[in-house]
Amino acid sequence: DAKTTQPPSMDCAEGRAANLPCNHSTISGNEYVYWYRQIHSQGPQYIIHGLKNNETNEMASLIITEDRKSSTLILPHATLRDTAVYYCIVRVGGGNAGNMLTFGGGTRLMVKP
Amino acid sequence: GAVVSQHPSWVICKSGTSVKIECRSLDFQATTMFWYRQFPKQSLMLMATSNEGSKATYEQGVEKDKFLINHASLTLSTLTVTSAHPEDSSFYICSAPMPSGSGNEQYFGPGTRLTVT
Repeated sequence: DAKTTQPPSMDCAEGRAANLPCNHSTISGNEYVYWYRQIHSQGPQYIIHGLKNNETNEMASLIITEDRKSSTLILPHATLRDTAVYYCIVRVGGGNAGNMLTFGGGTRLMVKP
Repeated sequence: GAVVSQHPSWVICKSGTSVKIECRSLDFQATTMFWYRQFPKQSLMLMATSNEGSKATYEQGVEKDKFLINHASLTLSTLTVTSAHPEDSSFYICSAPMPSGSGNEQYFGPGTRLTVT
């Protein structure tokens, strides 16, 4: 799996967009970018994933650069409940049996009022 | 909607005793489940892959005789910490692949906090 690099922490004002970067310069052509988050003392939560096109769902948007060496997770209007550790994971698309996930250090996002 | 539950949410046990943690997939079946461990202020570390109807696959450094995994049905995997010691105190989390996903999209349980005294 390609290694990812994320800033250890970020702050964001409530109501503003939170832009969380992730570098994955060694990503292979068949590897996807996945984002999960973990709110304190809870299990992680899947957010979004993408291969090369930008993706959007009800939780967030994922912007992947054209060379796919980096990506940005965007929370358009951050709330206090978005305070969590955000993990960027690069992984080959899995089969039906499921794949283990390798979690790095992630980015601790603090949304402030 | 489909979720993963864990029981208990927290447990305190004495050193030398065994503790069983249950992981259930609700409203969907999971032939594979994963068990993770997380120490304070650290990231999740995969312990083992639980396979329904077959033996679990353990990560390097995880003692299979100490952390017993049983995947008895398509909706239940259990992790038993045998002869627990204070250093086993941790947050244990299970996950299962989303039925509609490609395999890497997973539901995680809420976690079980184990404290060994």
